[in-house]
Amino acid sequence: EVQLVESGGGLVKPGGSLRLSCAASGFTFSSYSMNWVRQAPGKGLGLEWVSSISSTSSYIYYADSMKGRFTISRDNAKNSLYLQMNSLRAEDTAVYYCAREGVENYFDYWGQGTLVTVSS
Amino acid sequence: SYELTQPPSVSVSPGQTASITCSGDRLGDKYVCWYQQKPGQSPVLVIYQDTKRPSGIPERFSGSNSGSTATLTISGTQAMDEADYYCQAWDSSTYVFGTGTKVTVL
Repeated sequence: EVQLVESGGGLVKPGGSLRLSCAASGFTFSSYSMNWVRQAPGKGLGLEWVSSISSTSSYIYYADSMKGRFTISRDNAKNSLYLQMNSLRAEDTAVYYCAREGVENYFDYWGQGTLVTVSS
Repeated sequence: SYELTQPPSVSVSPGQTASITCSGDRLGDKYVCWYQQKPGQSPVLVIYQDTKRPSGIPERFSGSNSGSTATLTISGTQAMDEADYYCQAWDSSTYVFGTGTKVTVL
């Protein structure tokens, strides 16, 4: 059974940093691209793609609003995905999901999400 | 930047057909997928590559994509289908989600 378990969320002050992790199991992690997607809480509709990393980390992409502040990485030996978030802003407050990428531009499995709250 | 536009809400009676549109420039040239999200839960993939259903997704869910509009159709809508639905596409090295549609089964 494919499982994605995020951790590392919490309360952080504006300007602070946080590192999210996603532990993968039930599939060959090193064969799949992985992604981070976020959703602001209490604001109704809205999924926002954050970043993508290919299976060997050769290709990395970011949403424009995250470039320069967020860094995606992975450790295939540990079956883990990471998101380093720096210079956090109030508008970064959201539930952050990790998601496995299928063969052709879709996300076939999602984790349960971890909540990041940026507030003073 | 690329944008995908969906109607904010769609209402449907049980047993009837719900159609949710997703509009974007030359969207028909891209693969579109659809996600269902129920309150407090993570999104679930219901359609990928425009028309394909993942294992375990009921046959009442179907998709199409042509021109500038992709459509998710729920035939014989059930109460359990009440949820938010999002389209998604890949453009210029960026994933884009639609604005989302709340489906209410009255």
